[in-house]
Amino acid sequence: KQEVTQIPAALSVPEGENLVLNCSFTDSAIYNLQWFRQDPGKGLTSLLLIQSSQREQTSGRLNASLDKSSGRSTLYIAASQPGDSATYLCAVDSGNTPLVFGKGTRLSVIA
Amino acid sequence: NAGVTQTPKFQVLKTGQSMTLQCAQDMNHNSMYWYRQDPGMGLRLIYYSASEGTTDKGEVPNGYNVSRLNKREFSLRLESAAPSQTSVYFCASSLNRAGETQYFGPGTRLLVL
Repeated sequence: KQEVTQIPAALSVPEGENLVLNCSFTDSAIYNLQWFRQDPGKGLTSLLLIQSSQREQTSGRLNASLDKSSGRSTLYIAASQPGDSATYLCAVDSGNTPLVFGKGTRLSVIA
Repeated sequence: NAGVTQTPKFQVLKTGQSMTLQCAQDMNHNSMYWYRQDPGMGLRLIYYSASEGTTDKGEVPNGYNVSRLNKREFSLRLESAAPSQTSVYFCASSLNRAGETQYFGPGTRLLVL
């Protein structure tokens, strides 16, 4: 059974800092990996989707990498801003089963 | 283009009452999902519908039923609500079941007393 772990559970950084969020999964036979953002009291918003054949995806200040063999993904946020404060979740699609989510990393960017 | 909409936004029930959570999407997606989100437990799949006319159990289906009314609508029913079903419920949709981005609704906050 696929399990997804996100460390740390919470992170606080000063504005302007570059940061990395981590996601690990137990079964490397994945279809893709997705990163989502969730603001308090809101639904999830998709940030990036990395196919199993890809090593990374970029969108603006966000860069997500995937190392299938080691069961890890990272989300890199450059030049963090207070507006980046949210919970970030990763989810793994194994193809034959629906998405399995990690519990998220709650990020606070302090002005 | 509203994306995924859910009703109601908030509901309070007494133990044993029933209710239906409604979800609709206007993106012509084939697959739809119901999740619950609880503190410390993360997001867990209740039921999903890979395509119109099909439904399948997820990780936590007990106490729930679903109906894929048509391609746009997917409802979640609690027949006899229990305090353990107090949660935030999210509906999501994707173009197809595998390999696609999921789009989420704003959620329904349910309190069962």
